[in-house]
Amino acid sequence: NAGVMQNPRHLVRRRGQEARLRCSPMKGHSHVYWYRQLPEEGLKFMVYLQKENIIDESGMPKERFSAEFPKEGPSILRIQQVVRGDSAAYFCASSQTRTSGNNEQFFGPGTRLTVL
Amino acid sequence: GEDVEQSLFLSVREGDSSVINCTYTDSSSTYLYWYKQEPGAGLQLLTYIFSNMDMKQDQRLTVLLNKKDKHLSLRIADTQTGDSAIYFCAEKRGSDYKLSFGAGTTVTVRA
Repeated sequence: NAGVMQNPRHLVRRRGQEARLRCSPMKGHSHVYWYRQLPEEGLKFMVYLQKENIIDESGMPKERFSAEFPKEGPSILRIQQVVRGDSAAYFCASSQTRTSGNNEQFFGPGTRLTVL
Repeated sequence: GEDVEQSLFLSVREGDSSVINCTYTDSSSTYLYWYKQEPGAGLQLLTYIFSNMDMKQDQRLTVLLNKKDKHLSLRIADTQTGDSAIYFCAEKRGSDYKLSFGAGTTVTVRA
């Protein structure tokens, strides 16, 4: 019974390149959340997706960042033309249903992005 | 600044109790959580408390909630070396699904 899986675990990019982060939710989960953790800060919500739909992207930077959760395959967080300030740990979480009550979000191990 | 605040570091002797404190600002918070993050790993939910409760105990963990002061604490009894980790306080507001996290408290257990 695998948990939330993220890959790669570590990603190094040079300024201007693209970063693509993948998240496979737990089996049976159709809700995915992306959070970003900057050094010495807490996790900040970025985006909430269901299959083929973006529900809330209020935490996403307006430019260069995009997310998708296709019908088949993992959720992808894409960062175009990366800058040094994008260096952070990116965590994905999934839930079985929309967590309006206490439906728990299960977190993956994160992808640590370093921009040189 | 952060909506959820925690002290950054705590050092405790093995076998003693650890107390990690957290303050939050939103009175509409419904659920408050404690997550544990070990090096290189994701976040593990340790425990949570609903806002109409004052206390919750789960084995070595005790959560205290003071709604008036918007203060949350996590007590770990008989702290072990395996408890060394970063502990995050998080809140969920109203019927929202987003979690708002503090910056995390790094707990170091010394022999």
